[in-house]
Amino acid sequence: RKEVEQDPGPFNVPEGATVAFNCTYSNSASQSFFWYRQDCRKEPKLLMSVYSSGNEDGRFTAQLNRASQYISLLIRDSKLSDSATYLCVVNTHTGNQFYFGTGTSLTVIP
Amino acid sequence: GAGVSQTPSNKVTEKGKYVELRCDPISGHTALYWYRQSLGQGPEFLIYFQGTGAADDSGLPNDRFFAVRPEGSVSTLKIQRTERGDSAVYLCASSRGTGKANVLTFGAGSRLTVL
Repeated sequence: RKEVEQDPGPFNVPEGATVAFNCTYSNSASQSFFWYRQDCRKEPKLLMSVYSSGNEDGRFTAQLNRASQYISLLIRDSKLSDSATYLCVVNTHTGNQFYFGTGTSLTVIP
Repeated sequence: GAGVSQTPSNKVTEKGKYVELRCDPISGHTALYWYRQSLGQGPEFLIYFQGTGAADDSGLPNDRFFAVRPEGSVSTLKIQRTERGDSAVYLCASSRGTGKANVLTFGAGSRLTVL
């Protein structure tokens, strides 16, 4: 079983739409959670860390559900510039290992 | 340096050749990671260094792959007898160390093509 699983999409949404991605992780000992954004042929870049109480950064909201072992990312009022692949990342701390999902592809359409 | 630097950015080689990929992490970052990313996939862990030592090399696919970090800063990923299946983008990332605030910063990657 993979450490981190994501729906690869693609998600094609119109500008202004709200879109949500989910990600599940298998190791209940996981301690740190992140969303990374990766543009085509570029390296992944940190979008936001995910905190236990949930956190918001502008149009982006991340939530963590430890009981069900999933993480979500909500993007409100989608912009064309949000088109990218969104990678879910989990760190267990015990081995300081960062596990990546396969990524979810988002295209925002004018 | 200000960011993670990887060289070369692109490498084309023939099957059976030896390849070295270099990573220069952010100054002061003690942890260094190598990942491999194929088209349509997320980054796949290869090896992780804490300081000079390989803390976890469980992701290296076979003994053709080897990595070093002799002075605890620059790291080199070495691939012997390259195969077409080794073609991928090799990503290096560094971080401050351990703990909950630990996050990865990636370099731009080295795109390896084995003909």
